[in-house]
Amino acid sequence: DTAVSQTPKYLVTQMGNDKSIKCEQNLGHDTMYWYKQDSKKFLKIMFSYNNKELIINETVPNRFSPKSPDKAHLNLHINSLELGDSAVYFCASSHDPGGSYEQYFGPGTRLTVT
Amino acid sequence: SQQGEEDPQALSIQEGENATMNCSYKTSINNLQWYRQNSGRGLVHLILIRSNEREKHSGRLRVTLDTSKKSSSLLITASRAADTASYFCAPQGYGGSQGNLIFGKGTKLSVKP
Repeated sequence: DTAVSQTPKYLVTQMGNDKSIKCEQNLGHDTMYWYKQDSKKFLKIMFSYNNKELIINETVPNRFSPKSPDKAHLNLHINSLELGDSAVYFCASSHDPGGSYEQYFGPGTRLTVT
Repeated sequence: SQQGEEDPQALSIQEGENATMNCSYKTSINNLQWYRQNSGRGLVHLILIRSNEREKHSGRLRVTLDTSKKSSSLLITASRAADTASYFCAPQGYGGSQGNLIFGKGTKLSVKP
């Protein structure tokens, strides 16, 4: 029944490793997003993606890449992890990228880089 | 894309009191949305108010929008301990990157029983 799900919930890894976080939505939405919430609880958008367009926040390092096998999934792949990547990552979805629709958020993945 | 700024940053009230949170933004919007985040959880959508609307209600929530002042307010009436959470406003522009929600730092509400 979960609308937007993420796995894993917790991820602890060492600097330099490559990791992925998976996201799935069963709402039939066209657009998915990735957000990063840092230790000060500031929530920043990283990517928005639908089957037509990927919009990248220009502040996001190219070590981060979204991968979408189909409309219901948007995974986040991170290369060469750094200490500063430690944060909670949230996936979200909505009906379309620019319309007046609310976003539905996943429960978050807490990433700790040691 | 644009960011909403919530005020106050923190608010502490007693159960049963009303809580008012404010949001300001800088450019024209398509709509403005309010979200709640409980500690350790994802954001939950509360209300969406369109640019041509001035007030909207949902249960104990009341949202107002003043596009001339580029501001919005969220009122929670008869607050409960379960309302303790952070509240974020997110103005939304029109399409493309302008359609992205840019969250501020939120208002941290604490409702004491």
